[in-house]
Amino acid sequence: QVVLQQSGAGLLKPSETLSLTCTVYGDSFSTYYWSWIRQPPGKGLEWIGEINRSGGIDYTPSLKSRVTISADRSKSQFSLKMTSVTAADTAVYYCGRRIGSSSPIQWGRGTLVTVSS
Amino acid sequence: DIQMTQSPSSLSTSVGDRVTITCRASQGIGNDLGWYQQKPGKAPERLIYAASSLQSGVPSRFSGSGSGTEFTLTISSLQPEDFATYYCLQHYSYPHTFGQGTKLQIK
Repeated sequence: QVVLQQSGAGLLKPSETLSLTCTVYGDSFSTYYWSWIRQPPGKGLEWIGEINRSGGIDYTPSLKSRVTISADRSKSQFSLKMTSVTAADTAVYYCGRRIGSSSPIQWGRGTLVTVSS
Repeated sequence: DIQMTQSPSSLSTSVGDRVTITCRASQGIGNDLGWYQQKPGKAPERLIYAASSLQSGVPSRFSGSGSGTEFTLTISSLQPEDFATYYCLQHYSYPHTFGQGTKLQIK
């Protein structure tokens, strides 16, 4: 059984940097593509970005200037950083995995990030 | 970007009903589409991959069909545990995009 364990700060002030990490247990980190999505309270799902097996990264255009996804394969971890957060970035953030040819198989349990002064 | 238009946005239904949810892609995506169920406070769970393949462990009352630009998720006989929100997701090209969601409510 693969477990995606999310960690990171849940309360931020405007202009601060969001930093979340997803640690993978139970399978080879190198097998999958790793992604982040988010869901503002009461709203739908938004895809943020993904890092593939080769280290290539894609982001959704609306967030690209503020977001960085990275991976530390030695620790079976991947991370999301988002700079200059505002209240509009308040959301539950999920990490996920997929095999390159398929849709995401699994998401982590989610981290609620609240941006408030 | 590929836009995914999902309909309806909500549906009042009853146990035993047959339900169909549609996602239309703004351009062809082959069969690179998944369907997800999300219950309040929980992460989305995959029901269907490759447009029509049933995820292991998912009841057979769920089915998916379509290719190219039009896709459907069908629940053949709605059960009490199926009242949730459903999303489609295209992974044909970046950025991947979700439909707006369909919330199934008890009539």
